[in-house]
Amino acid sequence: DAKTTQPTSMDCAEGRAANLPCNHSTISGNEYVYWYRQIHSQGPQYIIHGLKNNETNEMASLIITEDRKSSTLILPHATLRDTAVYYCIVRGNNAGNMLTFGGGTRLMVKP
Amino acid sequence: DSGVTQTPKHLITATGQRVTLRCSPRSGDLSVYWYQQSLDQGLQFLIHYYNGEERAKGNILERFSAQQFPDLHSELNLSSLELGDSALYFCASSTRGSGIYEQYFGPGTRLTVT
Repeated sequence: DAKTTQPTSMDCAEGRAANLPCNHSTISGNEYVYWYRQIHSQGPQYIIHGLKNNETNEMASLIITEDRKSSTLILPHATLRDTAVYYCIVRGNNAGNMLTFGGGTRLMVKP
Repeated sequence: DSGVTQTPKHLITATGQRVTLRCSPRSGDLSVYWYQQSLDQGLQFLIHYYNGEERAKGNILERFSAQQFPDLHSELNLSSLELGDSALYFCASSTRGSGIYEQYFGPGTRLTVT
């Protein structure tokens, strides 16, 4: 699986959009970008995934650059409950089925 | 609530002991994965079972073993426990054993070895 690079931490004001970047410059053509988050020692929670098109669901939007070397997870209106560690994971569909978590980005949403 | 249940929530035991962690996947999910999260190692994949069969192994110690039963629940057995085994243990489930899919994680079992 491709290695990902994320900032260690970010702050965001409550009610504003949180934009979390992820670099995955070695991504290959059949690898997807997944985002999970972990709120304070709870089990990780799936957010969204995509291949090359931008994706949106009820939780977030995922913007993948045209060359697929980076992506941004957007939480449109961050709340205090969005404070968590966000993990960007790149994997193919035959990658042994496990998720490989890096260090993630610790997002702090402030009032 | 992900629909994945894990018991117990907390476990405190002594070095050298053996413990069993239990996981019940979401209804209909055939795959169960186990992950370990320690302070210095982050979240690490241990093992994957699909419909009763072992599918993949990660950095799982020989002192650890797992199985998935016919009713699809899974157990992770940890033996000859060491202080370094203290960690959060998560299980996750998914519908299939391969392909693009999301994994749903349980609340975890916090193991403390003293």
